[in-house]
Amino acid sequence: EVQLVESGGGLVQPGGSLRLSCAASGFNFSNYGMNWVRQAPGKGLEWVSYISGSSRTVYYVDSVKGRFTISRDNAKNSLYLQMNSLRDEDTAVYYCARDLPDDSGHHYWGQGTLVTVSS
Amino acid sequence: QPVLTQPTSLSASPGASARFTCTLRSGINVGTYRIYWYQQKPGSLPRYLLRYKSDSDKQQGSGVPSRFSGSKDASTNAGLLLISGLQSEDEADYYCAIWYSSTWVFGGGTKLTVL
Repeated sequence: EVQLVESGGGLVQPGGSLRLSCAASGFNFSNYGMNWVRQAPGKGLEWVSYISGSSRTVYYVDSVKGRFTISRDNAKNSLYLQMNSLRDEDTAVYYCARDLPDDSGHHYWGQGTLVTVSS
Repeated sequence: QPVLTQPTSLSASPGASARFTCTLRSGINVGTYRIYWYQQKPGSLPRYLLRYKSDSDKQQGSGVPSRFSGSKDASTNAGLLLISGLQSEDEADYYCAIWYSSTWVFGGGTKLTVL
């Protein structure tokens, strides 16, 4: 069974840093690209970042470029999001999601971790 | 102008059909892209419903009933999600998405009210 479990969220002051983790299980982690997607309270979905299985390719939404860094450790089946210089508008539930929907029609998402940026 | 534009809300009666639109920004040709559709109920994860590019390139999400279907309207440069035989449990937010220019872009979402 595919499982994605995020952790590391919490309350942080503006300008602060936080590192999110996503523990993956139930599939060959290194074979899949991974995404971070966020959702501000009462708002829609916003894609944040993508990393390929080999880590060779990474992409970011413009609003986090230079502040967030996506990475992964395939030996630990883990995905990370290092978030620096956090702003109020980064407050959201952060989901990790496996690549795009697969050939069997599944798209796996974690339960999310809440990041609150507030003084 | 956003890459993907969705109406904020839609309402329909039980048993009727609902048609969701996802309009691509001018200059971005809907025919080029797979349009992905997600359903999200309050307090729940997004649920993948389906993707549609053409009748020969489409996919139904696992366990998603056939009354959910996708199509396109080239005349309005829009992807469409159609739900037939509406049920009260279909009340949710619906998001479209495309993989565009090395980014994954979501529409703002449409809230469906079944009344």
